Amino acid sequence: KAGVTQTPRYLIKTRGQQVTLSCSPISGHRSVSWYQQTPGQGLQFLFEYFSETQRNKGNFPGRFSGRQFSNSRSEMNVSTLELGDSALYLCASSPRVRNEQYFGPGTRLTVT
Amino acid sequence: GQQVMQIPQYQHVQEGEDFTTYCNSSTTLSNIQWYKQRPGGHPVFLIQLVKSGEVKKQKRLTFQFGEAKKNSSLHITATQTTDVGTYFCAGGVDAGKSTFGDGTTLTVKP
Repeated sequence: KAGVTQTPRYLIKTRGQQVTLSCSPISGHRSVSWYQQTPGQGLQFLFEYFSETQRNKGNFPGRFSGRQFSNSRSEMNVSTLELGDSALYLCASSPRVRNEQYFGPGTRLTVT
Repeated sequence: GQQVMQIPQYQHVQEGEDFTTYCNSSTTLSNIQWYKQRPGGHPVFLIQLVKSGEVKKQKRLTFQFGEAKKNSSLHITATQTTDVGTYFCAGGVDAGKSTFGDGTTLTVKP
């Protein structure tokens, strides 16, 4: 099976702009989670979707949002970008909620 | 909320030495997962433990889940340079998401 894919892999944006990141899970996986990873903060949970419904949400401001489509593909959006949003954004898919997760390669976002 | 603490944060070993990382949860877990992230890479799922006192082995890696299901450990015997990376545990509870520890970064000196 193909692994989790994320697009784009790299992105440079300016403060105040918005960005949309995409994730395609492993075929048959219905759960998709998003994480932010920075050197000093480890893996911070953003949100989790299962069958198009947000099941859990982390402690991030409302500028961070996401959605999941009927084919399980997911997108996350960050509006009004701040310098502190520079990070590696990882998507992970799972066959079920609260099960082992398979991570994509991530999107490295740089905000200037 | 649920917290998962991982120690040590960093570990430097000589090739051939053993390595252990520990994971402790503030709440009883329903399962625990371990992941490895190589430098510049993404976390890769290693294993999931679900039973109290469970021990699983993968070649030189031994994973344990505590009797109270609040702690876990990963032990690597005779480390190799290919073992370098950050090892994360993630504790899951029935009612919510898995919470990741901050990881233990292992460096191996040849």
